[in-house]
Amino acid sequence: KAGVTQTPRYLIKTRGQQVTLSCSPISGHRSVSWYQQTPGQGLQFLFEYFSETQRNKGNFPGRFSGRQFSNSRSEMNVSTLELGDSALYLCASSFPRDWIRSSYNEQFFGPGTRLTVL
Amino acid sequence: AQSVTQPDIHITVSEGASLELRCNYSYGATPYLFWYVQSPGQGLQLLLKYFSGDTLVQGIKGFEAEFKRSQSSFNLRKPSVHWSDAAEYFCAVGAYNNDMRFGAGTRLTVKP
Repeated sequence: KAGVTQTPRYLIKTRGQQVTLSCSPISGHRSVSWYQQTPGQGLQFLFEYFSETQRNKGNFPGRFSGRQFSNSRSEMNVSTLELGDSALYLCASSFPRDWIRSSYNEQFFGPGTRLTVL
Repeated sequence: AQSVTQPDIHITVSEGASLELRCNYSYGATPYLFWYVQSPGQGLQLLLKYFSGDTLVQGIKGFEAEFKRSQSSFNLRKPSVHWSDAAEYFCAVGAYNNDMRFGAGTRLTVKP
């Protein structure tokens, strides 16, 4: 079974631009979570999508947004980029049983997208 | 909200020596606990996890961890370290809806 894939792997943008990152989960997985990893702040949870709905969100400004498509693929968007947005963005997928009875499920991580903002 | 503390930023051990990486967590309910490893330029790979049951958990690559509720700890151990174990290790606590909180990480260097 193929793992989680993220595209692109590397990206360079300038301040003020916007960027869209893509994540394809493991086949059959319906939940996708996004994380930001920086040397200063470590790994921080951005948001999680399940069945095309955002069901949990971390403490990030509204410039960070995401969505999930019917095939469970997910995108995250960052608008008006700032230098501090330079980071490794990781996507993880998991297979919750269902929305209501979902207990914690193992997350499988992709290799990440390295975003550099100049 | 849940949180994780990894007190050691960097640890150096000799190849063949034993290893223990510390992790303390804070969470009001029964925690879901994880250890992940990250090699340079790579994503995170799950080493082991604890949901319930036996407090000594076996993982991949010869790693194990012990959950101690009284100490709010979930330390990772390996009896004999290999050079290929050099990487960064993250302890994490998971909650409902996949809101996973990570520790700051411990970077492991292995001396020949």
